[in-house]
Amino acid sequence: DGGITQSPKYLFRKEGQNVTLSCEQNLNHDAMYWYRQDPGQGLRLIYYSQIVNDFQKGDIAEGYSVSREKKESFPLTVTSAQKNPTAFYLCASSTDSGSAETQYFGPGTRLLVL
Amino acid sequence: RKEVEQDPGPFNVPEGATVAFNCTYSNSASQSFFWYRQDCRKEPKLLMSVYSSGNEDGRFTAQLNRASQYISLLIRDSKLSDSATYLCVLSDDYGQNFVFGPGTRLSVLP
Repeated sequence: DGGITQSPKYLFRKEGQNVTLSCEQNLNHDAMYWYRQDPGQGLRLIYYSQIVNDFQKGDIAEGYSVSREKKESFPLTVTSAQKNPTAFYLCASSTDSGSAETQYFGPGTRLLVL
Repeated sequence: RKEVEQDPGPFNVPEGATVAFNCTYSNSASQSFFWYRQDCRKEPKLLMSVYSSGNEDGRFTAQLNRASQYISLLIRDSKLSDSATYLCVLSDDYGQNFVFGPGTRLSVLP
């Protein structure tokens, strides 16, 4: 089946620890995105990537890092610099950055700070 | 002014009711418009795109008014399964910048 997968479903982070959230897609989509959603809030863009080996900061990139070494994969690292990381993290992909295609989302990862 | 604003909700309606959601946006350069639904603790899923001429998909009708910069979603004969948060989403001409509204929660009651 084609789709976007995220892992883990739940992730616990200790103070001062970096953690990495996985996002994989087999839809052959060029563009991938990471969003953060806080309770009762809309989605906010952290990073996006239009093509392999290229990515751009979104609205709330501080304290996060990404890589795009493969078309299928767009991992997000939440660093210790992110002081309030508890949130629901959503990865998305879309087909073609030039055609404003809709985005398709993975099931999300809930990050909790211990 | 926030880039995308939606009816604050929540909307609590009985089964079979007709309910309408509104969304206003500030960026006149926005080119593409969508409605997504998000179930509790799940990812958003595309409900429908919104076209300038308006479009209908079964019980759902979406309208776009570029001059007034708002879009709407009408749900007729609402079902219990329609209970969710409805997100208004815009993108620019290049499809690189998707902006999400905060969502409007709908509860359809038996």
